[in-house]
Amino acid sequence: DQQVKQNSPSLSVQEGRISILNCDYTNSMFDYFLWYKKYPAEGPTFLISISSIKDKNEDGRFTVFLNKSAKHLSLHIVPSQPGDSAVYFCAAASTSGTYKYIFGTGTRLKVLA
Amino acid sequence: DAGITQSPRHKVTETGTPVTLRCHQTENHRYMYWYRQDPGHGLRLIHYSYGVKDTDKGEVSDGYSVSRSKTEDFLLTLESATSSQTSVYFCAISESLGGTYNEQFFGPGTRLTVL
Repeated sequence: DQQVKQNSPSLSVQEGRISILNCDYTNSMFDYFLWYKKYPAEGPTFLISISSIKDKNEDGRFTVFLNKSAKHLSLHIVPSQPGDSAVYFCAAASTSGTYKYIFGTGTRLKVLA
Repeated sequence: DAGITQSPRHKVTETGTPVTLRCHQTENHRYMYWYRQDPGHGLRLIHYSYGVKDTDKGEVSDGYSVSRSKTEDFLLTLESATSSQTSVYFCAISESLGGTYNEQFFGPGTRLTVL
């Protein structure tokens, strides 16, 4: 019962182009969403988050879009850089419940120089 | 970087032996979490704590127990390790100020191998 799904295990993008990573969720109680980046042999690091009261949040090269009706969020990276090559996880939480974060399975992004 | 350490960083053990992993934080954050990361499964929540001596189960809690006797320490115990518990274990912390949600900060991970 995967409540948060990242259906693309991997993605390759040319340097300078846009990277779009997708995430779907099934639990309609989720109302807070986050993206994390993970390099090998390191812990995940926080990238950007969005509350369900918004449909977009931007931080530099990173933008997260939320489509509540479709239960879908996406992370856009523009322009993509080789240092962005990592595994990206989306996560979701319900602010009306306990402070549990449910993670997706991750998407490995490779930015080609 | 948030002050989170995990010990040990690497451990090899045998099936049936008890194992305890330690997470230590210096941030005084209220919430602490244990995850395991496995190929094809991403990060799965094992147990979490919302205060000293307050803990609850996550998605994959069978075979694991936790304890939190101090704000700064969160212990994960495998009472009798099995090969299926070979994984990378991550500890995370977060804080809630005024009821808001905030990001989690993760530790560096512990690689556990059960032979």
